[in-house]
Amino acid sequence: GQNIDQPTEMTATEGAIVQINCTYQTSGFNGLFWYQQHAGEAPTFLSYNVLDGLEEKGRFSSFLSRSKGYSYLLLKELQMKDSASYLCAVIDSNYQLIWGAGTKLIIKP
Amino acid sequence: IAGITQAPTSQILAAGRRMTLRCTQDMRHNAMYWYRQDLGLGLRLIHYSNTAGTTGKGEVPDGYSVSRANTDDFPLTLASAVPSQTSVYFCASSDSRTRSYNEQFFGPGTRLTVL
Repeated sequence: GQNIDQPTEMTATEGAIVQINCTYQTSGFNGLFWYQQHAGEAPTFLSYNVLDGLEEKGRFSSFLSRSKGYSYLLLKELQMKDSASYLCAVIDSNYQLIWGAGTKLIIKP
Repeated sequence: IAGITQAPTSQILAAGRRMTLRCTQDMRHNAMYWYRQDLGLGLRLIHYSNTAGTTGKGEVPDGYSVSRANTDDFPLTLASAVPSQTSVYFCASSDSRTRSYNEQFFGPGTRLTVL
């Protein structure tokens, strides 16, 4: 079966750095997304990786290793507004999105 | 304002009743999707449509039906609601024709409670 694993919940301090990991086992791979979802709101796009390596976008970076079936989202200079769930999703061989259950990130002052 | 709208925002429904959740996008995206999101389970695909006039089944299609008569609208119908269909429903769309990756844009969601 297809599976995406993320930690259920993480806690970090305002101003710090946090890394949210995602491992996947899917039938094929055509890219990986990270989405942010604030409580009670819709998911919004953060990043897309299809090649190995690090993609940096402001305070957020996303890394992919296809050989290891592994990705992480790195959030720097954490702000209170970064408190949200972070969803990892993989495009499989049928070009369908397979979603992880999400990681709830709690930021403390 | 371009985007996706969903209606209603929330609904309480008696079991056995028929319900249609509406979804409209004005971005001229070719593909549209319906997901349900339950605590601890993440987003699960119910049905999708790659282009107007075609639909397909996702991971959890039982008890739901969709239609795609035109590009903009993608309604989801529960023929006879059951309590296990209590969830938050998200509609999404994407343009797979012009983008190198299939980023999905989500509507605000419909919170449905079936009693």
